[in-house]
Amino acid sequence: GQQLNQSPQSMFIQEGEDVSMNCTSSSIFNTWLWYKQDPGEGPVLLIALYKAGELTSNGRLTAQFGITRKDSFLNISASIPSDVGIYFCAGRKETSGSRLTFGEGTQLTVNP
Amino acid sequence: DADVTQTPRNRITKTGKRIMLECSQTKGHDRMYWYRQDPGLGLRLIYYSFDVKDINKGEISDGYSVSRQAQAKFSLSLESAIPNQTALYFCATALAGENTQYFGPGTRLTVL
Repeated sequence: GQQLNQSPQSMFIQEGEDVSMNCTSSSIFNTWLWYKQDPGEGPVLLIALYKAGELTSNGRLTAQFGITRKDSFLNISASIPSDVGIYFCAGRKETSGSRLTFGEGTQLTVNP
Repeated sequence: DADVTQTPRNRITKTGKRIMLECSQTKGHDRMYWYRQDPGLGLRLIYYSFDVKDINKGEISDGYSVSRQAQAKFSLSLESAIPNQTALYFCATALAGENTQYFGPGTRLTVL
């Protein structure tokens, strides 16, 4: 069953605001990935994290690999309308080969 | 041209019908995956394949079957569709040794 708890489930913000979302688990992961899904499309990779404590940025997006290896965080600064979509975290355990476990997703709405 | 394509993009069928969803990729990846997406549940793995003729069950394989006859193609079948198989289905590919999975645009399946 689902092993990643992603929160919040949804967010409604004003353009220009910063956004934070996170994923937590009781299990240890050795890779964390953050994906974005636009309406009618498949998920697209935003950021990949490979080491505990790692902080990686991609434009206005910053993600961190939690030091305990059981969580990860995604921040979006100065949101814009095209940030709208569903954001998914995904983790890979050392014992799971290439299989990923996905969070439930965070639905982001940005009001102009 | 899209690297990962799925056909059909939308399908409405009736309970008891056999349905096949197709996935093709031009990325040259050896690993392919089938997921289903349901609101609030994220992406759940149905089946995956590491090479031609290699088939592995994911977390929700019951009621589904797959075929990997060529490296570039991975098809998902519902032998006798039921309404709770109504969902968005995604195919994904990955290169051996890499964590990143690349997703197709999805197939929206409705079983009446």
